Amino acid sequence: EAQVTQNPRYLITVTGKKLTVTCSQNMNHEYMSWYRQDPGLGLRQIYYSMNVEVTDKGDVPEGYKVSRKEKRNFPLILESPSPNQTSLYFCASSYGPRDEQYFGPGTRLTVT
Amino acid sequence: GESVGLHLPTLSVQEGDNSIINCAYSNSASDYFIWYKQESGKGPQFIIDIRSNMDKRQGQRVTVLLNKTVKHLSLQIAATQPGDSAVYFCAETRNTGGFKTIFGAGTRLFVKA
Repeated sequence: EAQVTQNPRYLITVTGKKLTVTCSQNMNHEYMSWYRQDPGLGLRQIYYSMNVEVTDKGDVPEGYKVSRKEKRNFPLILESPSPNQTSLYFCASSYGPRDEQYFGPGTRLTVT
Repeated sequence: GESVGLHLPTLSVQEGDNSIINCAYSNSASDYFIWYKQESGKGPQFIIDIRSNMDKRQGQRVTVLLNKTVKHLSLQIAATQPGDSAVYFCAETRNTGGFKTIFGAGTRLFVKA
């Protein structure tokens, strides 16, 4: 089954404790993105990747890192989480930037 | 800053009526537009897309219209059904050296039986 998976689905952590949210797709897509979704603000792109080893900032990259060492995986790293990073995070992938994106199920992160 | 926006945050329609959801964008560098549907507790799902060299595209019960002159995008849903109740997002791909995807804030569609 073609899908985007994210782990964990739910995470409660404390300020400053490094965490990684994994994202994996099995569709051989080149374009992958991370978004955060906050009430009233829609989805905002954090980082995107055009292909392996090619990543670029979206609109809200501060406080986040990503890597793309393999085509299928695109982890999101929060080196020192803060409460303002409490949000619902979605990973997505597509063949290219001008194709429909397939979204993962979301990761709800709470930073206390 | 520039963003993809909405004309209405919520829309309530009677079952069987047609729905029109609007979206404005402000960056002429955007060349690909897409509508997503998001149901509660799920990630967004693709509905329909349109490239900037087109004015209209039709799918099953859905039509997207693009007016580049006024930078306006709309989604029309024919014969709206209760299962269409969800939040709808427009999004644009902006070609400015990279390929950012910009989402609007969303419109919640309520379908009354």
